[in-house]
Amino acid sequence: AQKVTQAQTEISVVEKEDVTLDCVYETRDTTYYLFWYKQPPSGELVFLIRRNSFDEQNEISGRYSWNFQKSTSSFNFTITASQVVDSAVYFCAGGGSNYKLTFGKGTLLTVNP
Amino acid sequence: EAQVTQNPRYLITVTGKKLTVTCSQNMNHEYMSWYRQDPGLGLRQIYYSMNVEVTDKGDVPEGYKVSRKEKRNFPLILESPSPNQTSLYFCASRSQGLLHFGNGTRLTVT
Repeated sequence: AQKVTQAQTEISVVEKEDVTLDCVYETRDTTYYLFWYKQPPSGELVFLIRRNSFDEQNEISGRYSWNFQKSTSSFNFTITASQVVDSAVYFCAGGGSNYKLTFGKGTLLTVNP
Repeated sequence: EAQVTQNPRYLITVTGKKLTVTCSQNMNHEYMSWYRQDPGLGLRQIYYSMNVEVTDKGDVPEGYKVSRKEKRNFPLILESPSPNQTSLYFCASRSQGLLHFGNGTRLTVT
């Protein structure tokens, strides 16, 4: 069975600070997929990124970056120079070859002006 | 526009009154699923369907039914809703491992 741990329940930062959201994915699968979703106050789920277990390249997209380390089963998400619009709940999720996704409990990020 | 459509967005009902939440996707995806989201628990899968007429239980199926008579539709049925089914529900369809979510249905059972 898979397990996704987002140890940070809530994070509060001031605008322009960098913030890292942690995620640990535990599975016995050798091939798996990791995702990050954003849920703004309006409630919809917005896909941010997907990463395959055999691809350990870090990825940067604008102010967002992701650091996947297979050795520690971590898939952390960093927002650089945070903005108020980044305030949301962020979910990490993982799935194996059957693509059944298991979600973490989410991290509520509040960016204060 | 490719999308997953859920209806209604908001629903308030009373204990025991049968209800159906509809879900439709226009992307011809074979896989569809239902999740519920509760504070502090994240999203948990209720049921999923790998294709037409093929459905299976997820992690929290008790009190729910689904059907998949055609590829585009995957309704969630609560035969006798109870207050512990008050939650935010998401339907999703999947293509190449990526879930596409509907906008959610907020259900309150009093």
